Amino acid sequence: SAVISQKPSRDICQRGTSLTIQCQVDSQVTMMFWYRQQPGQSLTLIATANQGSEATYESGFVIDKFPISRPNLTFSTLTVSNMSPEDSSIYLCSVVRNTGELFFGEGSRLTVL
Amino acid sequence: GENVEQHPSTLSVQEGDSAVIKCTYSDSASNYFPWYKQELGKRPQLIIDIRSNVGEKKDQRIAVTLNKTAKHFSLHITETQPEDSAVYFCAASRGNYKLSFGAGTTVTVRA
Repeated sequence: SAVISQKPSRDICQRGTSLTIQCQVDSQVTMMFWYRQQPGQSLTLIATANQGSEATYESGFVIDKFPISRPNLTFSTLTVSNMSPEDSSIYLCSVVRNTGELFFGEGSRLTVL
Repeated sequence: GENVEQHPSTLSVQEGDSAVIKCTYSDSASNYFPWYKQELGKRPQLIIDIRSNVGEKKDQRIAVTLNKTAKHFSLHITETQPEDSAVYFCAASRGNYKLSFGAGTTVTVRA
């Protein structure tokens, strides 16, 4: 079963900067997603990370703000660009395991000052 | 898109009692309904799921029921224990694993 490593686990960032979050899976997975969880809130799907092609974004999320790469079946990155305090959230990578379960990484907690 | 509503937002139960959380969904094409438990500072973890071809599923103290006609599903936890205290999220999808989550229920089990 897949194990997900996310880096960084947490960071404090300055307004206007960008941060890239990495997601490494220990086995090949077909389906990989990025979710956001704002403080005290539920989870919202940002996009589907597609291997070798552009990510598929959900309503309210755009590539310029959240560029995503997925060069292979075990790795993806999410960049949060030109950050503002409203971007302070936990960003979670998730994959579909061979059991049919959507499994979440531990998340990357970003605080934007 | 899919809209999932979850009630109640908070639930306090005495240890040993049962807890019930209810969710409704809007998209009649949704066919996969997982429930996640999230402890403070931890990732969401799947505790049980149900697909639209069954009406009920049980795993030890946890059960989920699904009413496709009414478009609602519920989580039942029996014989609650202090370690059941957490935030619980319901979710729905069309089977493509793009989950729409409910707002969450904070469950507190009183010893």
